[in-house]
Amino acid sequence: GENVEQHPSTLSVQEGDSAVIKCTYSDSASNYFPWYKQELGKGPQLIIDIRSNVGEKKDQRIAVTLNKTAKHFSLHITETQPEDSAVYFCAAETSYSSASKIIFGSGTRLSIRP
Amino acid sequence: ETGVTQTPRHLVMGMTNKKSLKCEQHLGHNAMYWYKQSAKKPLELMFVYNFKEQTENNSVPSRFSPECPNSSHLFLHLHTLQPEDSALYLCASSQGGQPQHFGDGTRLSIL
Repeated sequence: GENVEQHPSTLSVQEGDSAVIKCTYSDSASNYFPWYKQELGKGPQLIIDIRSNVGEKKDQRIAVTLNKTAKHFSLHITETQPEDSAVYFCAAETSYSSASKIIFGSGTRLSIRP
Repeated sequence: ETGVTQTPRHLVMGMTNKKSLKCEQHLGHNAMYWYKQSAKKPLELMFVYNFKEQTENNSVPSRFSPECPNSSHLFLHLHTLQPEDSALYLCASSQGGQPQHFGDGTRLSIL
């Protein structure tokens, strides 16, 4: 079946440094790639997304890149801060007119060292 | 305020009990979803409802029974659960291919 692989599963970086999380997907029909952040005791919250007609998107300290040919996409967090500590999930989604099918990666636990 | 509210937040039940999880969305979305989140595993899609109609059942055991009385409410009825069903159950909603919005989940523990 279709799947999304996410690496690394855990990541520890010094405060102020950058963090990179990488994902690959298998469904060539996927056209939307959201990233979610899940803090302890909370549900996943959308932090940034990218659609298949765009190669890169940036929102302040967060950026996402997409290589459709290679079926790779990555999350980049610069100038990391303690509040960036959380579990991050990538996802590959195929959108239809009325609903969507989404497959999540297994998550990356990011820890920011003070 | 997530726009998607799940109750209860925590639930402990025995294997012979019957309980229900509730999800309510205040976003005007037409699609609602149930996910299971277990430790060290990807989010598993369980059910999808679109305009109150079930459009996907991801091979979920019959001890989980969803109900969607309207586009704003989604229930998950539970009976005769197994210890391996202990997990965080997440509800989400979306509209027309837009991002899914998640609730904070119900932490379910089966004794």
